[in-house]
Formats: sequence, structure tokens, C-alpha cells
Amino acid sequence: GQQVMQIPQYQHVQEGEDFTTYCNSSTTLSNIQWYKQRPGGHPVFLIQLVKSGEVKKQKRLTFQFGEAKKNSSLHITATQTTDVGTYFCAVDSGTYKYIFGTGTRLKVLA
Amino acid sequence: DTGVSQNPRHKITKRGQNVTFRCDPISEHNRLYWYRQTLGQGPEFLTYFQNEAQLEKSRLLSDRFSAERPKGSFSTLEIQRTEQGDSAMYLCASTTGSSGNTIYFGEGSWLTVV
Repeated sequence: GQQVMQIPQYQHVQEGEDFTTYCNSSTTLSNIQWYKQRPGGHPVFLIQLVKSGEVKKQKRLTFQFGEAKKNSSLHITATQTTDVGTYFCAVDSGTYKYIFGTGTRLKVLA
Repeated sequence: DTGVSQNPRHKITKRGQNVTFRCDPISEHNRLYWYRQTLGQGPEFLTYFQNEAQLEKSRLLSDRFSAERPKGSFSTLEIQRTEQGDSAMYLCASTTGSSGNTIYFGEGSWLTVV
């Protein structure tokens, strides 16, 4: 079955440092989505990537889809305390069934 | 647009009882998902609907779990003969169904089985 791994599992950074989480799939993907979940909250959609090698930016967040469409990354530049939460990737192999990754929990130290 | 609504938000039940959760998706969203999430884990896919048709479901739903979306609008998730391992947050999400459209999650229904 579909395997989706995210690394690292946890990341503590000082405010102002950069942060990157990686998502790896065992199969080629149709598209990938990224979500943020605050402690005690529900997942909030951030973005969807569809094309091989695609790069999208949202302010300090940069999302990239691998050339082989089997991996993706989320990079946050100059983290802020508001970036705290768990970041999940969710992958679709073409059936609109989204499988979530294991998540990366980010803590930002002020 | 009032968002995805789930109720009850919290449910405490005794082991062996049946529970039902309701999800009201955003109006005109024809795709609806159910996920389960435990502390420290990512959401686990349970099932999804395109209008009233249940297109795919995990093996979990072949036993004590069942989901319906009778008129293609709201959906219910029923758990029969609850077990302590069913304690989790049950999340509902909806989208318009077009590729690339945002998926909106509800705030979840927390289940505690005692």
C-alpha cells in the first residue's frame, strides 16, 4: 500500500532560523498537498502541487515537487512563533484518495 | 460559506455503545472525506464520497465502522460496539471535487471511549 514518510519527525528552531520538512512517497504521485495543523486544531490546507519540478511560494513558505513526482519539500524562511504546528503532506496517486504523511512537528523558540 | 460543520464536537461513551457523528460539508461541495486522527499521528483515511456515492473506503470500514451520505449533502459516520482503541478525533473534510481545489476540514469530533 501507499507509504508516505516525512522527515524530520520533530524540529526545534530559534526564531529567525529556517526550517525544511521533506515528504517521500513509495509511488509516483498525481499531486501532493501540504497542510498545517496547530496544536488542538484541525488541518488547514496550504497548497497543492501538480507538475513535476513545480515550485510555489507563499510569502516565507516555499513548496517544491520533485522531478520524479515521488517527493516534496516545504521550506520556511526566517521562522516566526506563528509558524508553530505540525506540517503534513497528503498524497494522491490519482484517485482523489489523499493519504497523509507522518507529519513534522515544528517548535519555534523565541 | 459557513465552513465544514461537525457534531457532536465531543463524545464520551462507554465501551460497547454505538456512536454516530454528523458532518455538514460546505454547500455545493460534492466530495466529502472522513479521517481519523490520534495524538501525534497524521490523519488516517477512512472513506470518501463523490455526491452520494461512496467511492473508496479503508478496510477499517468493513467491520464496526460505516459511513453514509444519503442525499449527497450531509454525512454520518457510525461506530458500533465501540472499543477503547476507537478513541480519537474524527475529521470530516469537503471540496468541490475539481482537481486542485482546496480541501476544507471541519474542527473534528473527539471521541473518548471509557
